[in-house]
Amino acid sequence: GAGVSQTPSNKVTEKGKYVELRCDPISGHTALYWYRQSLGQGPEFLIYFQGTGAADDSGLPNDRFFAVRPEGSVSTLKIQRTERGDSAVYLCASSVGRDNEQFFGPGTRLTVL
Amino acid sequence: EDKVVQSPLSLVVHEGDTVTLNCSYEVTNFRSLLWYKQEKKAPTFLFMLTSSGIEKKSGRLSSILDKKELFSILNITATQTGDSAIYLCAVETGGGGADGLTFGKGTHLIIQP
Repeated sequence: GAGVSQTPSNKVTEKGKYVELRCDPISGHTALYWYRQSLGQGPEFLIYFQGTGAADDSGLPNDRFFAVRPEGSVSTLKIQRTERGDSAVYLCASSVGRDNEQFFGPGTRLTVL
Repeated sequence: EDKVVQSPLSLVVHEGDTVTLNCSYEVTNFRSLLWYKQEKKAPTFLFMLTSSGIEKKSGRLSSILDKKELFSILNITATQTGDSAIYLCAVETGGGGADGLTFGKGTHLIIQP
């Protein structure tokens, strides 16, 4: 497909479990972003990749959150020891470069019971 | 801390009405302001504004930026029920700030038939 895709679309897990969320950016987009959106709020920046490297991870809330992009394309957001407060929609976006408009995927709705 | 404030938070109008959505910001190292429409999960890009006073237009939607007063407006004329969505305003900064977008909480627009 031509757009950003994310899997799974929904994930329900139990408190304390580990989860992985996947993002496939638009082909050729070097910049990739992860955001988290809680109910009634705008998306909140988590981490930005330029190519394979995390250029800015200042938005990650704590060390339970980690993201990788080993080949400069697909990215995985990993959350260890999930907490109920991690429940949110996790959005991925990609862009041609740092200063271009970001195109968003449909998100993964994470529910931690 | 960078801040983006949108108003109103919610708005209900009738089909055919014209609406104006507001976005004000306080950020360091402003680069651009973006508007997105969010219907289900994925925000879809509407406009990117970098220069003051230049109106961007796409069909019934238009937007303008005032960098002196630090705000932007999004206008929708002859509204249709398909315009019902959350409209998100976001600011991109550079030079030391976080690389991701800073979003407002959004305006939830409902168009009644």
